[in-house]
Amino acid sequence: DIQMTQSPSSLSASVGDRVTITCQASQDISNYLNWYQQKPGKAPKLLIYDASNLETGVPSRFSGSGSGTDFTFTISSLQPEDIATYYCQQYDNLLLYTFGQGTKLEIK
Amino acid sequence: QVQLVESGGGLVKPGGSLRLSCAASGFTFSDYYMSWIRQAPGKGLEWVSYISSSGSTIYYADSVKGRFTISRDNAKNSLYLQMNSLRAEDTAVYYCARRAAGLGGLDYWGQGTLVTVSS
Repeated sequence: DIQMTQSPSSLSASVGDRVTITCQASQDISNYLNWYQQKPGKAPKLLIYDASNLETGVPSRFSGSGSGTDFTFTISSLQPEDIATYYCQQYDNLLLYTFGQGTKLEIK
Repeated sequence: QVQLVESGGGLVKPGGSLRLSCAASGFTFSDYYMSWIRQAPGKGLEWVSYISSSGSTIYYADSVKGRFTISRDNAKNSLYLQMNSLRAEDTAVYYCARRAAGLGGLDYWGQGTLVTVSS
């Protein structure tokens, strides 16, 4: 099974800061990597699919990059409404999914 | 607009059974793969199962294999999860989600239904 290591587990940043979250796969997953945002009490929301593609309607301050085993999620300028937990998620050729452990983002 | 509405959650004793439903609307349900994902209280997301658009391909996480059964009724635009031999560790909010067409991302999610397994 493919394991996903997401870091950090929590992060405190100021409004306007650049925020970066990383996700590492235990083996090459090409670009089969998605990023989600989950606000308290709500369902997750797809932000980035296939490593670097912005889902329709998602603000351009969110971006993703990487391929193979190492991936990065970036918020270019943190906004108060971005406070949430973020998850990476990989899928293999059988569409079996594995989520990262999550990164809880807070405002400093 | 796309809507997914789960139902069927509740309190059940260890060893008991429960059937979750997910009613879909706003899209052609029979065209899409569907998944169940769960989240234990205060924990992260765990993928549980998926079913192909026709129902011919099904996969489960190891943690539920042999106990849970996913199914769908395309005529009723509905997805199901039959959960048997429930354990305390199955306690979670269960979400149904749609796989984006041709991609691996889950682009629409329901609001979730809480399953509590406790004596």
